[in-house]
Amino acid sequence: EPEVTQTPSHQVTQMGQEVILRCVPISNHLYFYWYRQILGQKVEFLVSFYNNEISEKSEIFDDQFSVERPDGSNFTLKIRSTKLEDSAMYFCASSDGQSSGNTIYFGEGSWLTVV
Amino acid sequence: TQLLEQSPQFLSIQEGENLTVYCNSSSVFSSLQWYRQEPGEGPVLLVTVVTGGEVKKLKRLTFQFGDARKDSSLHITAAQPGDTGLYLCAGHSNYQLIWGAGTKLIIKP
Repeated sequence: EPEVTQTPSHQVTQMGQEVILRCVPISNHLYFYWYRQILGQKVEFLVSFYNNEISEKSEIFDDQFSVERPDGSNFTLKIRSTKLEDSAMYFCASSDGQSSGNTIYFGEGSWLTVV
Repeated sequence: TQLLEQSPQFLSIQEGENLTVYCNSSSVFSSLQWYRQEPGEGPVLLVTVVTGGEVKKLKRLTFQFGDARKDSSLHITAAQPGDTGLYLCAGHSNYQLIWGAGTKLIIKP
């Protein structure tokens, strides 16, 4: 069954460093998303991406964050100058935008620890 | 701000019992999805409900979307220890999902 894959599964980085989280969405999907979940808290929406541009973003997604689809298969989240509070599990997700309910499928997540 | 209230937050029952988890909102959603999440892993989709009043069954799990598309329920019949986990509801709004806080379910053998 097609799935969303994410790398790395776990990354430890020093405060102030830049991090790039990578995702390969399901191949025929057109909508891509990043969500995050701080330990013990709700899943939070960061950004959605369609047709090579951001369609919606949350207040969390400030200038520190950026997304890119550098080629036909990858979708990346870049966090510039990481802060301690950026430590969280980051989930990539995708949907085809056409199926009933526009079901969104999630990857396994990338666990980011900022020290 | 759209909110999705999920209840109960925690439920511990004996194997064989039935249970219902609720998701309620004052907002209308175009669709609602139920996920199950294991610690340290991503949410795994269980079902998507789209039409008001829709009922979907997945083995012993029954999902219902409210007539007004503002609420949903998950009913588990004859719960088994393998059902233990965190169950999340998420309502679809524009390009994002609005998440419930989750119901941590423990089924004791």
